[in-house]
Amino acid sequence: SQELEQSPQSLIVQEGKNLTINCTSSKTLYGLYWYKQKYGEGLIFLMMLQKGGEEKSHEKITAKLDEKKQQSSLHITASQPSHAGIYLCGAALNRDDKIIFGKGTRLHILP
Amino acid sequence: NAGVTQTPKFQVLKTGQSMTLQCAQDMNHNSMYWYRQDPGMGLRLIYYSASEGTTDKGEVPNGYNVSRLNKREFSLRLESAAPSQTSVYFCASSGGTAYGYTFGSGTRLTVV
Repeated sequence: SQELEQSPQSLIVQEGKNLTINCTSSKTLYGLYWYKQKYGEGLIFLMMLQKGGEEKSHEKITAKLDEKKQQSSLHITASQPSHAGIYLCGAALNRDDKIIFGKGTRLHILP
Repeated sequence: NAGVTQTPKFQVLKTGQSMTLQCAQDMNHNSMYWYRQDPGMGLRLIYYSASEGTTDKGEVPNGYNVSRLNKREFSLRLESAAPSQTSVYFCASSGGTAYGYTFGSGTRLTVV
């Protein structure tokens, strides 16, 4: 069965520092999705990656999908308190498949 | 604002009670989903509906039933609530995997 591993599980960084969150699939993906969840709230769609080597940005957040389409990294530059929350990656194996989600990365930003 | 609306936002049930979680979307999406979110477990799919009139089991369907009432509405029913069903429940809808899912704000359910 499809498995999606996120790392790290939790991250504490000083405001202004850069950080990276990783998401690894056991199988080649159709699409890789990044969502952000503020504590106690719903999920907000950040971006979707489909092509090997593709890179997308959303404000100060950049995500990239590797050439084999099995691993994605999400990078935040000059982190701010507004970046705090839970980041979840999701993946679909084909166009008609359901999205499965990783367990999430809890990000805390220290002022 | 267009989106996915879930009701109620909070609910406390006693073991054995039943209840229905409501979900409605106004984006004309074909597919709708119910997930539960537990600490350390991420989001797990309970049931989904690929189109009006169809429903299918997800990863953790036991103890739940669903109804796709029409294209807009997809409800989740707990017939006899158990403490293990204490969780945050999210409904989502999609116009296709290429576009990802739009999530509701969640229902926090506690079963005592």
